[in-house]
Amino acid sequence: EAQVTQNPRYLITVTGKKLTVTCSQNMNHEYMSWYRQDPGLGLRQIYYSMNVEVTDKGDVPEGYKVSRKEKRNFPLILESPSPNQTSLYFCASSFGPPREQFFGPGTRLTVL
Amino acid sequence: GENVEQHPSTLSVQEGDSAVIKCTYSDSASNYFPWYKQELGKRPQLIIDIRSNVGEKKDQRIAVTLNKTAKHFSLHITETQPEDSAVYFCAAGGGGGNKLTFGTGTQLKVEL
Repeated sequence: EAQVTQNPRYLITVTGKKLTVTCSQNMNHEYMSWYRQDPGLGLRQIYYSMNVEVTDKGDVPEGYKVSRKEKRNFPLILESPSPNQTSLYFCASSFGPPREQFFGPGTRLTVL
Repeated sequence: GENVEQHPSTLSVQEGDSAVIKCTYSDSASNYFPWYKQELGKRPQLIIDIRSNVGEKKDQRIAVTLNKTAKHFSLHITETQPEDSAVYFCAAGGGGGNKLTFGTGTQLKVEL
């Protein structure tokens, strides 16, 4: 089954404790992206990757890191989480930005 | 960068009526305009998209129109049904950059 998976689905953590949210896709997509969703603000792009070892900032990259060492995986790293990073995070993949984005199930992160 | 504005933020219609959601974008280089539907607790899913070389596209009860000169595009849902109740997001991208910028979303409620 073609899909995008994310783990964990729910996470409660404390300020400053490094965490990683994994994202994996099995559709051989070149383009992968991370978004955060906040009430009233819609979906805002954090980082995207056009292919292995090629990443770039989206609209809200501060406080986040990403890596793309394999085509199928695109982890999101919060090295020192803060409460303002409490949000719903979605990973997405596609054959390119002007193509249908396939979203993962979402990760709800709470930073205390 | 691209800026997408979406209106209204909430929309309530009676079952069987039509619903219209409007978006404007700022970057004239954008050439791809998708619409996503997000049901409560679910991931966003593409429902229709349009490219800048087309003025209108229909898929059963859903249609999208694009006015490149005015830089706005709209989603039209006819004969609304309760299962159309969801949050709808517009987006713009595919121009010179590799980002996809989303609007802030419209909560559509179809009342019986």
